[in-house]
Amino acid sequence: AQKVTQAQTEISVVEKEDVTLDCVYETRDTTYYLFWYKQPPSGELVFLIRRNSFDEQNEISGRYSWNFQKSTSSFNFTITASQVVDSAVYFCALSEEDTPLVFGKGTRLSVIA
Amino acid sequence: KAGVTQTPRYLIKTRGQQVTLSCSPISGHRSVSWYQQTPGQGLQFLFEYFSETQRNKGNFPGRFSGRQFSNSRSEMNVSTLELGDSALYLCASSLEGTGPNTEAFFGQGTRLTVV
Repeated sequence: AQKVTQAQTEISVVEKEDVTLDCVYETRDTTYYLFWYKQPPSGELVFLIRRNSFDEQNEISGRYSWNFQKSTSSFNFTITASQVVDSAVYFCALSEEDTPLVFGKGTRLSVIA
Repeated sequence: KAGVTQTPRYLIKTRGQQVTLSCSPISGHRSVSWYQQTPGQGLQFLFEYFSETQRNKGNFPGRFSGRQFSNSRSEMNVSTLELGDSALYLCASSLEGTGPNTEAFFGQGTRLTVV
């Protein structure tokens, strides 16, 4: 069965600090897909990234970067030089072929000015 | 391009009543999925509709039902409301489904409070 664990419930950092959000997943499939979503106070989930199980290349998008390691079943998300606008709840999610997204419990990030 | 629209945004209902929530997906998207978000259980999948057919279903009681119309708009119905149904209900729209090949775009949700 699919499972996503985000062990960090809440993180608080000072603006301009770097912060890493952890995500550990479980799946029996060799083909699967990992996602990160951001949920600001307004409520909607904003798509950040999708990574498939055959692509372990790390990705960088501006201040955001993702580290995918199949050996440890982890898909961690790092925000460099955090800003107040990064404050939100971040969700890691997993899907296998033709299955809906299974989400972790989320990590609430607070960036303090 | 208009995003995913969910109506109403807020709703207060009494135990035992029923409620219908609406979701208009992004134009051209044929898949609509529904999720329930609560502080205790997090985000849980309810069901997915694709071209008017239910394609996937989560582990929720039969009081939760849905449908999709020919224009891809979807409605979700909860009958005999219980206090535990209080939650944020999120709708996700995608081209082909909430599987791996497409990203899902979410609406702002309907916050349902059952009193």
